[in-house]
Amino acid sequence: AQSVTQLDSQVPVFEEAPVELRCNYSSSVSVYLFWYVQYPNQGLQLLLKYLSGSTLVKGINGFEAEFNKSQTSFHLRKPSVHISDTAEYFCAVGIFGNEKLTFGTGTRLTIIP
Amino acid sequence: ETGVTQSPTHLIKTRGQQVTLRCSSQSGHNTVSWYQQALGQGPQFIFQYYREEENGRGNFPPRFSGLQFPNYSSELNVNALELDDSALYLCASSLTQADTQYFGPGTRLTVL
Repeated sequence: AQSVTQLDSQVPVFEEAPVELRCNYSSSVSVYLFWYVQYPNQGLQLLLKYLSGSTLVKGINGFEAEFNKSQTSFHLRKPSVHISDTAEYFCAVGIFGNEKLTFGTGTRLTIIP
Repeated sequence: ETGVTQSPTHLIKTRGQQVTLRCSSQSGHNTVSWYQQALGQGPQFIFQYYREEENGRGNFPPRFSGLQFPNYSSELNVNALELDDSALYLCASSLTQADTQYFGPGTRLTVL
């Protein structure tokens, strides 16, 4: 079975500073990976996804993530954050041919003015 | 293009009651997945429906059941509600079973 670990439950960052949200996964087979963002009292919005090909994936709102198979990681980065980036961020893993997504416990990103 | 919609947005029930939550999938999507998100947790997979058939199930008891209709909309039914069923219930639709899932805004269920 696959699993996802988001090591940081909360990450405070000053406005316009860079940020990295960490995600590690565990699986015995090939995976595909997602980052979703959840704003307060809302559902999940897809930020970006990795299915195959280039390991550097660019998403919406200036976010990008890099798939590292040897380190089983899929860390999310943004070079300069804004107040509007304050939200909960979830990493999720899926297995080809399997229907479910397994989510991490989330990282709450707080932007400090 | 209409996104995923869910109804109702909020619901309050008492222990032992039954509840039905509804989801309309994104246009062209034939697969619907349901997730439970407890407070402070990540979403947990309940089950998926593909072309009106259950296509996989997570670790949830049989009192959690579902339906998918010919127009690919879906219902989640929960019988004999327990306090721990209080959560945000998320519906996601996708083009096929293992494709990118697009989520609705969720239904917040409170069980008293």
